[in-house]
Amino acid sequence: GQNIDQPTEMTATEGAIVQINCTYQTSGFNGLFWYQQHAGEAPTFLSYNVLDGLEEKGRFSSFLSRSKGYSYLLLKELQMKDSASYLCAVNTGGFKTIFGAGTRLFVKA
Amino acid sequence: EAGVAQSPRYKIIEKRQSVAFWCNPISGHATLYWYQQILGQGPKLLIQFQNNGVVDDSQLPKDRFSAERLKGVDSTLKIQPAKLEDSAVYLCASSPAGVTDTQYFGPGTRLTVL
Repeated sequence: GQNIDQPTEMTATEGAIVQINCTYQTSGFNGLFWYQQHAGEAPTFLSYNVLDGLEEKGRFSSFLSRSKGYSYLLLKELQMKDSASYLCAVNTGGFKTIFGAGTRLFVKA
Repeated sequence: EAGVAQSPRYKIIEKRQSVAFWCNPISGHATLYWYQQILGQGPKLLIQFQNNGVVDDSQLPKDRFSAERLKGVDSTLKIQPAKLEDSAVYLCASSPAGVTDTQYFGPGTRLTVL
């Protein structure tokens, strides 16, 4: 079967660093996406990893280990506007992408 | 560049009624997706088109849901008849041709079935 696991909720303080983990078990793997979704809005693309290692993009970084079926999204210098759901999605090949349930991040002052 | 357009943004219907949603993808994007997102869950793929052909509709409840993408551009998703459990946000997304392309989402249609 196909399975993507993420923590349901996380809370962090403004200015801090938070790591959101994602583990996956899928029949195929062509890459892993992270999307951000603010309440009541559509998901927007954050990052895409296809090779092992860390991809850095401003305050956001994403890490992938294909052998472990594991990824994380690292958010630095947290801002209140970072309060949102973060969706991990795996492209399993054959034009198919499966989404996890998402992690709701609350940033407090 | 214009984004993915969807209408209506909100819809309230009673169970057993019919409803239709419309999506206009980003110009030139070959792949179009319809997702159902229930509150607190991630998006679930209902149907995926490559141009005007169906690539994946394995999770589409075909006894009540239908979708079409005429001429490989706009798409409509219909529910007939609606059930209470169909209350959700229906997201349309598009991507350029390619297996690993980023998906660009529309604002979604929030459906409430009473």
